[in-house]
Amino acid sequence: EAEVAQSPRYKITEKSQAVAFWCDPISGHATLYWYRQILGQGPELLVQFQDESVVDDSQLPKDRFSAERLKGVDSTLKIQPAELGDSAMYLCASSPGPTDTQYFGPGTRLTVL
Amino acid sequence: AQTVTQSQPEMSVQEAETVTLSCTYDTSESNYYLFWYKQPPSRQMILVIRQEAYKQQNATENRFSVNFQKAAKSFSLKISDSQLGDTAMYFCAFDGGTSYGKLTFGQGTILTVHP
Repeated sequence: EAEVAQSPRYKITEKSQAVAFWCDPISGHATLYWYRQILGQGPELLVQFQDESVVDDSQLPKDRFSAERLKGVDSTLKIQPAELGDSAMYLCASSPGPTDTQYFGPGTRLTVL
Repeated sequence: AQTVTQSQPEMSVQEAETVTLSCTYDTSESNYYLFWYKQPPSRQMILVIRQEAYKQQNATENRFSVNFQKAAKSFSLKISDSQLGDTAMYFCAFDGGTSYGKLTFGQGTILTVHP
């Protein structure tokens, strides 16, 4: 069964450093999402792509976060510089289209020291 | 803006018994989707069940069923014959309006199934 792949699974960094997360969606899924999940809370959408275009990045802190999906397949989320408050689980999800069920990857747990 | 509220931070149930998790939401939209997702400890989030708001019939998936009350904006999840593998955090989520795909999640309910 096809799954969403994410790497790394765990990342520890010091504040002010740069970090990057990678996501490979299920083959054929045109819509890709990045969520941030603080421990004990529900995920919050950071950015939504349709193919290579950003559909919604209204909750993305653009002064330090960036996301790209250059060829409309895999995607990278970057934080520079990382802050203590960025410690969270970063989840990637994909779906065939925006009204279809989203399938989640295992996530990247980020710890900023 | 849509909001999703799960008023039960934690629930517990004995194996083989039935448990109901509550969820309410607030929206002015008429067309939308509702979901229950399950997140086991240290494992990825998986879909449990999906409901389209235009369908009056409640969705079911094996031991999982929902009670969808559109007028009351309520969407509860019933788990029958609970199993140890059902132990997880359960999230209710809303998707609809002008920005399909932007899931709005509740705070979650931790469900523990005891042997």
